Amino acid sequence: QKEVEQNSGPLSVPEGAIASLNCTYSDRGSQSFFWYRQYSGKSPELIMSIYSNGDKEDGRFTAQLNKASQYVSLLIRDSQPSDSATYLCAVGRSGYALNFGKGTSLLVTP
Amino acid sequence: EAQVTQNPRYLITVTGKKLTVTCSQNMNHEYMSWYRQDPGLGLRQIYYSMNVEVTDKGDVPEGYKVSRKEKRNFPLILESPSPNQTSLYFCASSLSGTGGGSYEQYFGPGTRLTVT
Repeated sequence: QKEVEQNSGPLSVPEGAIASLNCTYSDRGSQSFFWYRQYSGKSPELIMSIYSNGDKEDGRFTAQLNKASQYVSLLIRDSQPSDSATYLCAVGRSGYALNFGKGTSLLVTP
Repeated sequence: EAQVTQNPRYLITVTGKKLTVTCSQNMNHEYMSWYRQDPGLGLRQIYYSMNVEVTDKGDVPEGYKVSRKEKRNFPLILESPSPNQTSLYFCASSLSGTGGGSYEQYFGPGTRLTVT
C-alpha cells in the first residue's frame, strides 16, 4: 500500500510567521511530488511541484524534498490569513497516478 | 482560459437513477482522471485514462463507469447510484507521462453529488 502521511492539524500560525507543512511517503520509487492548496468546498489548486532533492522556491512558497528520508515539506513565508486552507501532499511514482495525503489544515491568525 | 470544467456542479438524485457527470478540458491533455473526496478519507482515484479509448481502474472503481471517446472529454457514469456514492467528485487532467512538469494534474471545480 503506497501511503502518504500528513499531520491533519490544525496548524495555527500568526500572520507574518513561517508555516511549515510536512509529508512522508512510503513508496521509495516515487519520482514526483506536489503540494496542492484546497479551500473548503473548492477544488485542489496546484501550488508547487518538485522532482529532485533540495529546495525549490516560488514566491513565498518553498518546497523541500529529501528522497533518502522519504520526506517532502512546504514552507510558507510571511503567512497571510488568505493562506488558511487545507494543504494536500501528492506523490507519484511513474506515469500518472498520484497518491494524496489526507491534508493538513492551516490556520493563519491575524 | 485553460481549464477543466465539470457539469453539473451540484446534483441531488435518488437511488438507482442513472446519471452522468461530464468533464472537459481545453488544454490538449492526454491524461484525465476522476477522484472522489470524502471526509476523513481524502482524495481517492476512481478511474483514469491515459489517452483516447484507454481507461483503467483506480482505487475505488466499483459502481462507476467511464469512457474516453474524445481527447477532451471524460464523463463519469453512475448506472445505479447508491447513497454510499454521495460525495464530492473531481475531474483532473495532466499533459503526459514523459517526465518533468507533465505530471502536474489540474482539477475541475468539483461536483457535489447527493444520492437519497
